[in-house]
Amino acid sequence: IAGITQAPTSQILAAGRRMTLRCTQDMRHNAMYWYRQDLGLGLRLIHYSNTAGTTGKGEVPDGYSVSRANTDDFPLTLASAVPSQTSVYFCASSQAGDNNEQFFGPGTRLTVL
Amino acid sequence: GQNIDQPTEMTATEGAIVQINCTYQTSGFNGLFWYQQHAGEAPTFLSYNVLDGLEEKGRFSSFLSRSKGYSYLLLKELQMKDSASYLCAVMDSNYQLIWGAGTKLIIKP
Repeated sequence: IAGITQAPTSQILAAGRRMTLRCTQDMRHNAMYWYRQDLGLGLRLIHYSNTAGTTGKGEVPDGYSVSRANTDDFPLTLASAVPSQTSVYFCASSQAGDNNEQFFGPGTRLTVL
Repeated sequence: GQNIDQPTEMTATEGAIVQINCTYQTSGFNGLFWYQQHAGEAPTFLSYNVLDGLEEKGRFSSFLSRSKGYSYLLLKELQMKDSASYLCAVMDSNYQLIWGAGTKLIIKP
């Protein structure tokens, strides 16, 4: 593993189904983030975690949950998917420091029908 | 509310110079970032400004004026591979990034 990986790459999901998007980083970064990116809108923060064992809500947390059991993994769960959750989801990580640069995973393209 | 404004789309010619502007209104300021995002790919870091002035990095430069809530990204000697979206983001008082919608830059031969 080099950097951040996300799985799956893409998924088509029926409305009402439960889905977990996976994110793993090997840079030992303490902070991790989940964003969604929709056409014409900026990246919007769903949830974040400043360190293992803690999580926080971002701008658009409703319908999503996260956990941070260890430093490397930060899964995002949609308990009951709805069509408005169709989006591209990016996981990112950063190490607190001079500029808090965030490194992004390749993204998961999710379609909810 | 918090707001980041940048043009939706710009067109420039290969070999030329282009300036992409970004204005912001946020609750607090802990730095401004520029990211590049090619279609279908993840954003990648370009630059970071926390003090007023110009930061130069090769063909790319970024400028910040905190009093005006304004930044620009300057791209010189444009190449076809520079065709991408350029995202402006501000780190607010909670150290969260607030993102603009991005500027799609089209480079023509």
